[in-house]
Amino acid sequence: AQSVAQPEDQVNVAEGNPLTVKCTYSVSGNPYLFWYVQYPNRGLQFLLKYITGDNLVKGSYGFEAEFNKSQTSFHLKKPSALVSDSALYFCAVREPNSGGYQKVTFGTGTKLQVIP
Amino acid sequence: DGGITQSPKYLFRKEGQNVTLSCEQNLNHDAMYWYRQDPGQGLRLIYYSQIVNDFQKGDIAEGYSVSREKKESFPLTVTSAQKNPTAFYLCASTLGAGAFNQPQHFGDGTRLSIL
Repeated sequence: AQSVAQPEDQVNVAEGNPLTVKCTYSVSGNPYLFWYVQYPNRGLQFLLKYITGDNLVKGSYGFEAEFNKSQTSFHLKKPSALVSDSALYFCAVREPNSGGYQKVTFGTGTKLQVIP
Repeated sequence: DGGITQSPKYLFRKEGQNVTLSCEQNLNHDAMYWYRQDPGQGLRLIYYSQIVNDFQKGDIAEGYSVSREKKESFPLTVTSAQKNPTAFYLCASTLGAGAFNQPQHFGDGTRLSIL
């Protein structure tokens, strides 16, 4: 069964510093990986995805993520954090196979706090 | 702009009462989903529908029911059998259940509480 782990409940970073939000996954085949952001009392917004190809994926709002197959990780990064990046971040995995519904599994979320 | 509209934003349920959460999308997506979000637990799938007049149970379907009579609409009923309904409920959609490489689009949720 597929699974996703976000090992940190909260990450604190100073404004202007680089940020990393960690995600590791487990699937039996090749994964489709996604990052979403959630602001208070809002739905999830899509940031970026890895399907195939380059291991470094660029997404919205200056975020990027690095796919590492050997470490089964898909960490979210940003070179310079903004206070407005403070939110809840979710990693998700989908394992493609033939036919039917393909379940998406979400991590438990990491709260990012950017300190002015 | 296309999107998903959930209503109401806040909902209160009395003991023994059924309540219905609305989800409407104008994205022309075939697949729709209902998730429950509790603090520290991520998103858990309640029900999903790949096509009109068809839906399947997710991981935590007990105490919930859905219908899919129109492509645009996927209402969720929280029945009195759901003993712990307090949570944030999120509706989502994708172009099709087989669109593996496409992200899900989410509504802004309904927060349900017990009176």
